[in-house]
Amino acid sequence: AQSVSQHNHHVILSEAASLELGCNYSYGGTVNLFWYVQYPGQHLQLLLKYFSGDPLVKGIKGFEAEFIKSKFSFNLRKPSVQWSDTAEYFCAVNPLNTGFQKLVFGTGTRLLVSP
Amino acid sequence: EPEVTQTPSHQVTQMGQEVILRCVPISNHLYFYWYRQILGQKVEFLVSFYNNEISEKSEIFDDQFSVERPDGSNFTLKIRSTKLEDSAMYFCASSDPKTGGSYNEQFFGPGTRLTVL
Repeated sequence: AQSVSQHNHHVILSEAASLELGCNYSYGGTVNLFWYVQYPGQHLQLLLKYFSGDPLVKGIKGFEAEFIKSKFSFNLRKPSVQWSDTAEYFCAVNPLNTGFQKLVFGTGTRLLVSP
Repeated sequence: EPEVTQTPSHQVTQMGQEVILRCVPISNHLYFYWYRQILGQKVEFLVSFYNNEISEKSEIFDDQFSVERPDGSNFTLKIRSTKLEDSAMYFCASSDPKTGGSYNEQFFGPGTRLTVL
């Protein structure tokens, strides 16, 4: 079945540790890729997006993600996390050949950064 | 910065009752969406709306659901006869696809938590 998978449901890190959250999708064809973040009590906000071009994309707050087409992956990274990065992170795919408008979300990863 | 807004933030209703969830999308956006997130589960697409009609819907969006843009600013989701399993957070989103149609950054509202008793 076509889906978006996030491998880690909960991640706990200390401040200054490096972060990598995995995301894999199973859609063929052209896709747009997104990472959204939801801080406690707030709404979903876009961290970064990939449509085409350079597979390494940079987003807000020091986050970046790399699209590896051969691995159907779009992993999120940050070299040094802060306490304020505590949030839930969602990978999302816009499968252009099966659903032009919809976003298909992964299950989310809860990140807790301890000070 | 313009935002998508949603009202109410919380809605409690009895099973079988009708509910209407309201959203005000970003003013120059053309596409509107509803998603839901059952507690502990992933965010799921319900429906997209463009040019005053549904352009895409998921299998979740059955005859109990309907959407409407009653005026130039509001976008509503109606559940005709709520069931216990409709309890979820409902998110509205809007987007402004560029010419060519392949750009689709969606901006989300804060959500309405619906509890069906």
